[in-house]
Amino acid sequence: DAKTTQPNSMESNEEEPVHLPCNHSTISGTDYIHWYRQLPSQGPEYVIHGLTSNVNNRMASLAIAEDRKSSTLILHRATLRDAAVYYCILRAYSGAGSYQLTFGKGTKLSVIP
Amino acid sequence: NAGVTQTPKFQVLKTGQSMTLQCAQDMNHEYMSWYRQDPGMGLRLIHYSVGAGITDQGEVPNGYNVSRSTTEDFPLRLLSAAPSQTSVYFCASSSAPGGRFTDTQYFGPGTRLTVL
Repeated sequence: DAKTTQPNSMESNEEEPVHLPCNHSTISGTDYIHWYRQLPSQGPEYVIHGLTSNVNNRMASLAIAEDRKSSTLILHRATLRDAAVYYCILRAYSGAGSYQLTFGKGTKLSVIP
Repeated sequence: NAGVTQTPKFQVLKTGQSMTLQCAQDMNHEYMSWYRQDPGMGLRLIHYSVGAGITDQGEVPNGYNVSRSTTEDFPLRLLSAAPSQTSVYFCASSSAPGGRFTDTQYFGPGTRLTVL
């Protein structure tokens, strides 16, 4: 399976933009890039996903490199509630109806008031 | 919608005891799964189900059993608990079976299990 590489931790000041990078140099043509986040003591929650084009939703933006070997999750204005572990996940169909999400260690984002 | 619910929230077992972690979803999702999360680690898939009556193993299935008799429920059974099974357990569900890679998984709040 293609793997992702993320920094262990990042810090951001409140109300400033945050750019969370993810490298996935072995991504295949059919892999979707998904981002989930996990707030303290909660289950993961979906943030955004994309294939080739940049994507925006109410939570964040996803910028995907032209060669798809890297992507960046952008939080436009970090709030204290955005402090979480952010996971970059390549979504691969692994056969016969399986929908496995393979979680790495993610990036722990700290937001400074 | 309650989404994905899990019970209990906390549980302490002694080695060798058995128990069932409950998971239910009210979104009529066909796909459900169980993950475990150990300290400082990402989530690892234990078992999953693509519909009622269909289950399969994930990455770390040993020591766990599952069944799926209804669309709504997907219980996880520990037959003989071991200290290595101390972990936080998350249940998840999603729609869109059939090979699409864009479905969103919804996670429950987790069950924190300690095995002494």
